[in-house]
Amino acid sequence: AQSVTQLDSQVPVFEEAPVELRCNYSSSVSVYLFWYVQYPNQGLQLLLKYLSGSTLVKGINGFEAEFNKSQTSFHLRKPSVHISDTAEYFCADFRHNNAGNMLTFGGGTRLMVKP
Amino acid sequence: DTEVTQTPKHLVMGMTNKKSLKCEQHMGHRAMYWYKQKAKKPPELMFVYSYEKLSINESVPSRFSPECPNSSLLNLHLHALQPEDSALYLCASSQLTSGGQYNEQFFGPGTRLTVL
Repeated sequence: AQSVTQLDSQVPVFEEAPVELRCNYSSSVSVYLFWYVQYPNQGLQLLLKYLSGSTLVKGINGFEAEFNKSQTSFHLRKPSVHISDTAEYFCADFRHNNAGNMLTFGGGTRLMVKP
Repeated sequence: DTEVTQTPKHLVMGMTNKKSLKCEQHMGHRAMYWYKQKAKKPPELMFVYSYEKLSINESVPSRFSPECPNSSLLNLHLHALQPEDSALYLCASSQLTSGGQYNEQFFGPGTRLTVL
């Protein structure tokens, strides 16, 4: 079985400060991990994904994440946030079975960037 | 065209109404998905269609009835809903390949449903 856990429901941070949003996964099989962003009243947009290869993954809008197998983590980071980064962020994993492909999301972290 | 469109954007309905949500994509994707997202919660998978056939139903009540009339369209028919069904309904689509290969899901903006 696979699951992802987001450790913080809300992260307040001042503009131009660095931020880390935490995600831990639990899996005994191959891991595919993702970060999605959801701006208010919008759908989900893929920020970045880890499928294999380099453990440091760079995404859009200056975000990056590091896959850490020993700590079973996939934390999202940005060195300097903007007001426009205020949004809900979801970590997710991917499962495939005979029925189809499924994304399972963590509980979400609300990033609140303050001026 | 990498867009998934959903109509309507907002819908208010009574518990005795019948309404439908629509989703459309023209990316040639053969997998389409319905998710339900309650306020301040993550999306939860409801249905998956693969090659226009229902492949996954996550134990969704029968008052929600999905339909995939062709490879570009996905509908969600609603009947006799309850106020607790009020939520954002998200549609997504992806390529479909064998062997468990990952294919990115592209999400629409959602329909915000309010049941009175």
